[in-house]
Amino acid sequence: NIVMTQSPKSMSISVGDRVTMNCKASQNVYNNIAWYQQKPGQSPKLLIYYASNRYNGVPDRFTGSGYGTDFTLTINSVQAEDAAFYYCQRIYNSPYTFGAGTKLELK
Amino acid sequence: EVQLVESGGGLVQPGRSLKLSCAASGFTFSNYYMAWVRQAPKKGLEWVATISTSGSRTYYPDSVKGRFTISRDNAKSSLYLQMNSLKSEDTATYYCARHGNYGPFGPFDYWGQGVMVTVSS
Repeated sequence: NIVMTQSPKSMSISVGDRVTMNCKASQNVYNNIAWYQQKPGQSPKLLIYYASNRYNGVPDRFTGSGYGTDFTLTINSVQAEDAAFYYCQRIYNSPYTFGAGTKLELK
Repeated sequence: EVQLVESGGGLVQPGRSLKLSCAASGFTFSNYYMAWVRQAPKKGLEWVATISTSGSRTYYPDSVKGRFTISRDNAKSSLYLQMNSLKSEDTATYYCARHGNYGPFGPFDYWGQGVMVTVSS
């Protein structure tokens, strides 16, 4: 089965900074990746699908990129409300494996 | 407005069974693949099951295959998860989620608020 590895596990960023987090698949998944945001006490929310497509209503400061095995979620000019866990997920074929997540904290 | 509302969680002893339900509204339930995703306390997300629009096809990871059964009742716009032979490691919040417009090939675009299942003696 494909393993999704996210890095870093956590990061502490100041409001207004640019942040990049990574997701690496153990095998080629083409562009079949989604990114989700989960704030404490809430259910996950879809941000990005098929690696680079922003979901409805997601602010354009969120950008996804990558293909094959290496993927990136970039947040330009981080806002206070962006403090959350971020998960990547392999889509298109089961098992729909998630990465372990990256925790984004604001300084 | 799309809504997914889970129910049926609680405390259950190891080895026993529990059935979760998810009531869907705000969309044509029968047109969408549906799924269950769980999250152990302070842990990440784990996909648990997916079911096709008609219910004829189901998919599971190895961790629950043979113990969990996903089903649906399109007339009632409801999704179910029958969990048998429960183990302590099944303790988690269980989310009902909708596969979006790309069906089984796409992401989960709506999620319920989750229901807690605790497996303990």
